[in-house]
Order: sequence, then C-alpha cells, then structure tokens
Amino acid sequence: AQSVTQPDIHITVSEGASLELRCNYSYGATPYLFWYVQSPGQGLQLLLKYFSGDTLVQGIKGFEAEFKRSQSSFNLRKPSVHWSDAAEYFCAVGGVSSASKIIFGSGTRLSIRP
Amino acid sequence: EPEVTQTPSHQVTQMGQEVILRCVPISNHLYFYWYRQILGQKVEFLVSFYNNEISEKSEIFDDQFSVERPDGSNFTLKIRSTKLEDSAMYFCASRPPRDSTDTQYFGPGTRLTVL
Repeated sequence: AQSVTQPDIHITVSEGASLELRCNYSYGATPYLFWYVQSPGQGLQLLLKYFSGDTLVQGIKGFEAEFKRSQSSFNLRKPSVHWSDAAEYFCAVGGVSSASKIIFGSGTRLSIRP
Repeated sequence: EPEVTQTPSHQVTQMGQEVILRCVPISNHLYFYWYRQILGQKVEFLVSFYNNEISEKSEIFDDQFSVERPDGSNFTLKIRSTKLEDSAMYFCASRPPRDSTDTQYFGPGTRLTVL
C-alpha cells in the first residue's frame, strides 16, 4: 500500500539556521509529491510539488525540495528559517488512484528558537 | 487569487445530531474532495467526487456520510448521526480540469466538535 513517512515529529531550529525536513514514500511508480504547510488554526497551503523533470523543485516562501528516486525521498529544505516558518509541515503523495486522492504523512511540527 | 472556502469555521453539535459542512470550491474546478484531521493526527482522505458522483471513498466514509453538489457552486458533506469520534477538522479540496498532477487546493477547514 502507498504510504508516506515523516520520521521527525517535532524539530526546533534557531532563526536564521538552515532546515531540512525528511520525507520518505512508498509507491510502485513515480508518484506526484507535495509539501503542504499548516499554520496553527489554518488550512493547508501548498508549498511545492514534484511530478516530473528536474528533481530539485522550488516553492513558495523560499522552500525547495529534492526528489531522490533511489532513496524514495522528497526532503524539504530552506537555507535560512524565519520565525514565521513555525508551523506543521506535511509531505504527501498523489497519483495513487484514479480518483487522485492524496495520502499525507503524519506531519513534522517546526518550532523556531529566537 | 481564487480560494476554496468553507463554512462554518467551527461547528459544535450534540452526539446523534445531523451536521452539514459546506464548501465552495474554486469555480472552474471539476474534482472535489473531503479530508479530515483528527486532533494531533494525520490528514485522511474521505471521499472524492466528480461528474456528480462519488469516484472513490475510504473505509471511514460509511453510511453515515454523504456528499452532494446541490447547485453549481456548493459541495457539502453530511454526517447523519454524529458520534464523538467524528470530532475533527474537515477539509474540502478541489482540483482543476486538465491538471494531471493531482494538485489539490484546500479550504481553511471546518472544526467539528461533537459533545
């Protein structure tokens, strides 16, 4: 069955430091991969997506992610975090059914140390 | 920029009552979805809807749930007899036509509290 694993439940980084959030997926074919961000009490905002082509994708708010087929990974990175980046981050996979449902990981909560 | 909207933002109901959660998808989108997120847990797929019928549903989406597109703009999720375990955040999402990448745009959610 398709699945998404985010091994880090909670990460704290200092403001201005670099960030990498891990994501691994399990799917037989090349999936569509997404990162969504959820600020407290808010909905899900799409940060970036990968579906083909260049394995390094750029997103909004200075985020990027790299698709590594050999590692079944799609890690999210940002070179310098801001306090406003504190949120829950969800990795997700699509293209797993004809109805195009999205399967989400369990999320990583990011805290920013001043 | 067009957005998916959901009403109400918070719904409190008594166990056994019926609730209807409303969504207005982005106007030219043709594929509609409901997901839910129980507090502290992952976002889970409930149901997808296309061409006025359910195209896929999860095992969570039992006979107590139904969806409808009553007019050209609204998309609703009805829970006939709510249970305590239905308390969750419910997200509506929509997807544009001719988008083969499954990109879905989510609404802000409705927090359902069942007492």
